[in-house]
Amino acid sequence: EAGVAQSPRYKIIEKRQSVAFWCNPISGHATLYWYQQILGQGPKLLIQFQNNGVVDDSQLPKDRFSAERLKGVDSTLKIQPAKLEDSAVYLCASSSRQGARTGELFFGEGSRLTVL
Amino acid sequence: GESVGLHLPTLSVQEGDNSIINCAYSNSASDYFIWYKQESGKGPQFIIDIRSNMDKRQGQRVTVLLNKTVKHLSLQIAATQPGDSAVYFCAENTGGFKTIFGAGTRLFVKA
Repeated sequence: EAGVAQSPRYKIIEKRQSVAFWCNPISGHATLYWYQQILGQGPKLLIQFQNNGVVDDSQLPKDRFSAERLKGVDSTLKIQPAKLEDSAVYLCASSSRQGARTGELFFGEGSRLTVL
Repeated sequence: GESVGLHLPTLSVQEGDNSIINCAYSNSASDYFIWYKQESGKGPQFIIDIRSNMDKRQGQRVTVLLNKTVKHLSLQIAATQPGDSAVYFCAENTGGFKTIFGAGTRLFVKA
């Protein structure tokens, strides 16, 4: 079974530029998550989708971050304009409905963003 | 609370010894508690979970203990191996199906 796919793996941009990350979840997983992981910290939930609807985006900085999950499968996370403090690894995860209840998430390898 | 910057709590154990990694949680209403392992350059990997109505659960070489009285969770790894070297995160699944991660602990296994 293929895992969660993310791209790009690495991205370096200057502040005020924009960037987009893509995620393809495990086939059949209804729930998709974007987490931000700053170096030395635990992952922080940015947004959670159930199919193509947003379940929680309370921690998403909506003035600069946006995310969508068209057709309930792939998802993109965009940052515009980027700030220095956005430097982090952006992790995408997916889960089944049962996994969403128990906390059994499957993560991709992440997209590492460096903002200069 | 969460660790800040690069100063993750660190546990160093000898290969073959048992490891115990501890975690304090804050939300007494959480339904599930989970442990994840994160190797360098990879995403977190699910290890084991425990429901709030249990106090102990065993997996392969791992045991999770839950003490709701003091809001404490621990992960015990038996016969620790070099491949167990990683950062370990506890997480809790709150109402609304949100999985919130806590502070990590870096485990070093000495050969």
